[in-house]
Amino acid sequence: EAQVTQNPRYLITVTGKKLTVTCSQNMNHEYMSWYRQDPGLGLRQIYYSMNVEVTDKGDVPEGYKVSRKEKRNFPLILESPSPNQTSLYFCASRDDGTSTYNEQFFGPGTRLTVL
Amino acid sequence: GQNIDQPTEMTATEGAIVQINCTYQTSGFNGLFWYQQHAGEAPTFLSYNVLDGLEEKGRFSSFLSRSKGYSYLLLKELQMKDSASYLCADDNAGNMLTFGGGTRLMVKP
Repeated sequence: EAQVTQNPRYLITVTGKKLTVTCSQNMNHEYMSWYRQDPGLGLRQIYYSMNVEVTDKGDVPEGYKVSRKEKRNFPLILESPSPNQTSLYFCASRDDGTSTYNEQFFGPGTRLTVL
Repeated sequence: GQNIDQPTEMTATEGAIVQINCTYQTSGFNGLFWYQQHAGEAPTFLSYNVLDGLEEKGRFSSFLSRSKGYSYLLLKELQMKDSASYLCADDNAGNMLTFGGGTRLMVKP
């Protein structure tokens, strides 16, 4: 089954304790992205990657890191989480644009609370 | 990112028709997506418009006017389960999507 998976689905942590949210897709997609979603603010892009070893900042990259060492994986790293990073996070992947349309597939979401 | 505007909230009655509008900036535009998102869940794909006109898919239809930077999602025969947020997303330059703030639709009996 074609899918995007994220882990963990729920996480409660404390300020300053480094954490990683993993994301994996099995569709051989080139593009992967991380979004955060907050009430009233919609989906905001954190980082995106157009291929292995190619990453770029989105609209709200501060406080986050990413890496793309393999095509299928795109982990989101919070080196020193702060309470303002409490949010619902979505990983997404998309093909390279050669099809008629390229639906963006979303992972199930990770609800992060930073105390 | 590009400015994408859609109403914050709408209310409609079960069995009725509702139209959710979306405007976007036309520079670098490739196409427009509509997604449905139930609270706490991932967005799910509804439609993608590249060319001007109306595309119908069951109870849902989506319209695009490229020259006006305007799209709408039309939901017919509303059901209670259609209560959700509807996200308009701009496909610009073939990269990841830029989303509007979403329209929260409440369907009442």
